[in-house]
Amino acid sequence: DTEVTQTPKHLVMGMTNKKSLKCEQHMGHRAMYWYKQKAKKPPELMFVYSYEKLSINESVPSRFSPECPNSSLLNLHLHALQPEDSALYLCASSQTLGLAGSGETQYFGPGTRLLVL
Amino acid sequence: DAKTTQPNSMESNEEEPVHLPCNHSTISGTDYIHWYRQLPSQGPEYVIHGLTSNVNNRMASLAIAEDRKSSTLILHRATLRDAAVYYCILRESGTYKYIFGTGTRLKVLA
Repeated sequence: DTEVTQTPKHLVMGMTNKKSLKCEQHMGHRAMYWYKQKAKKPPELMFVYSYEKLSINESVPSRFSPECPNSSLLNLHLHALQPEDSALYLCASSQTLGLAGSGETQYFGPGTRLLVL
Repeated sequence: DAKTTQPNSMESNEEEPVHLPCNHSTISGTDYIHWYRQLPSQGPEYVIHGLTSNVNNRMASLAIAEDRKSSTLILHRATLRDAAVYYCILRESGTYKYIFGTGTRLKVLA
């Protein structure tokens, strides 16, 4: 099974709402990632978890709060978002974080398309 | 920061080979070159990766220049299902991060 699943597929929320995105993988991978992708742009890294610990936060605003409750699950909690946060949110996983220069392959989920009104 | 440059778009006829170029003149000696593609309404999908030598798999071939400042993804026989945005990616020197290029939108003509 080389699948990363993400729920929901689509999400519409108001600026005062609280919602969560969910990502799951059962490949035994110990590194998981959140990316944000605006229309017609490449994905941009947001957060990286390694062995359930946050390894990197790419200066993401605090209205985005990641959580890794176990090695298979990754959540992204959303609160007080702005319309410019509307985007495709992609989750990915890899076997490990890998060392710089290693050929670690990331597996991406299909994404959650978020619209903030 | 390592960077990649790709043409914005390319066209190919069905069943013909396609060569997708990527420049990465600031690549460091230990950066792997990865290629992913993204079909409409899907997440990126792994295609191939390499370090120095040319690589082949069931999806494509990767030709890496001797100085490693450029690479070319080769689809041997394009099909309509290969229409996608193809990203050339470097793993940034000193970190584990993927640095995505701007991507090449491949259009395959029937």
